[in-house]
Amino acid sequence: IAGITQAPTSQILAAGRRMTLRCTQDMRHNAMYWYRQDLGLGLRLIHYSNTAGTTGKGEVPDGYSVSRANTDDFPLTLASAVPSQTSVYFCASSGQDGGAFFGQGTRLTVV
Amino acid sequence: AQRVTQPEKLLSVFKGAPVELKCNYSYSGSPELFWYVQYSRQRLQLLLRHISRESIKGFTADLNKGETSFHLKKPFAQEEDSAMYYCALSIKAAGNKLTFGGGTRVLVKP
Repeated sequence: IAGITQAPTSQILAAGRRMTLRCTQDMRHNAMYWYRQDLGLGLRLIHYSNTAGTTGKGEVPDGYSVSRANTDDFPLTLASAVPSQTSVYFCASSGQDGGAFFGQGTRLTVV
Repeated sequence: AQRVTQPEKLLSVFKGAPVELKCNYSYSGSPELFWYVQYSRQRLQLLLRHISRESIKGFTADLNKGETSFHLKKPFAQEEDSAMYYCALSIKAAGNKLTFGGGTRVLVKP
């Protein structure tokens, strides 16, 4: 079934640890995005990639990095996790028509 | 920079009553507007987009460029409409990145 998959679905992480959230899509979409969802703040864009080999910073990029080695994968890395990065993380992709498809989310708790 | 505002954090209505979720945006050009829905602990799903001018699950939304609004409406709310609703804006020239509003939680009471 075509779609977008995130892993893990949830994680408890000690502060200071490094963590990579994985995202894979099989729709051959050029654009991919990482958002964090926080109560009352909606979804905020962390990083994006318009096409393989390129990335850009979103609204809240600090503390996060991404890479886009190929079309399908767009991992998000927290180099040294802090409690303020406790959130639900959504990966998304979009084709030329602009409508985005979302993954099921990763619930991350940094303690 | 573009911005999307959803003034209501919570809307509580009775089943069968009309519901309207407000969305205002700020952008000087011609954006694309979307409504996304998120049912409890599920992924966000595209509900409506203004360019398709369609009705999904009884919901409609009209883009009003003069008022920079894209309000979502349903004449008769159902219990299964209880969810989080997000209004979003994208700009083709900026790579279709979505800017979201803060979301409105809709609770439909029996």
